[in-house]
Amino acid sequence: EVQLVDSGGGLVQPGGSLRLSCAASGFAFEKHWMSWVRQAPGEGLEWVANINGDGSDKYYVDSVKGRFTVSRDNAKNSLFLQMNSLTVEDTALYYCARYDTDNHKGFDYWGQGTLVTVPS
Amino acid sequence: DIQMTQSPSTLSASVGDRVTITCRASQTISSWLAWYQQKPGKAPKLLMYKASALESGVPSRFSGSGSETDFTLTISSLQPDDFATYYCKQYNSYSFFTFGPGTKVV
Repeated sequence: EVQLVDSGGGLVQPGGSLRLSCAASGFAFEKHWMSWVRQAPGEGLEWVANINGDGSDKYYVDSVKGRFTVSRDNAKNSLFLQMNSLTVEDTALYYCARYDTDNHKGFDYWGQGTLVTVPS
Repeated sequence: DIQMTQSPSTLSASVGDRVTITCRASQTISSWLAWYQQKPGKAPKLLMYKASALESGVPSRFSGSGSETDFTLTISSLQPDDFATYYCKQYNSYSFFTFGPGTKVV
């Protein structure tokens, strides 16, 4: 059974840093692109970052470029999002998601989300 | 960057109604479009991919159509479990994905 478990969220002051983690199981983690998606309270979904199977290709939404870094550890079936210089606008529920690289379905599995709060 | 729009933003419907949601891309994305359903407090769920392919386990009352810039999601007969928010998402390139703003079915 495919499972994605998000963790690492919390309350962080503006300008601070946080590292999110996503533990994957039940599939060949290293074969799939992985992503982070966020959702601000009461708002819609926003794609944040993509990373390919071996971690050599990474892409970000403009609003986080230079502040966030996506990475992965295939030996530990884990995905990470290092978030620096956090602002109030980064407050959101952050989901990791698997991109079905075999069938190009988009995001077929999601974590439960981890909440990041940056107070004003 | 590719922008996505959806209409309507809110849709009022009754059980048994045929429901159609429209999604438009600011530039051509071929058929690289997915639809997701999200209920309050839950992660999104994949419904459709490649514009018209039904994800495994999703009821056949859901269907998708379109290509290039204009897409639709149709629910042929709305069921009580279908009241939710629906998002389209373009994935034309790994370098940039975009979600639509969402359509809430009430």
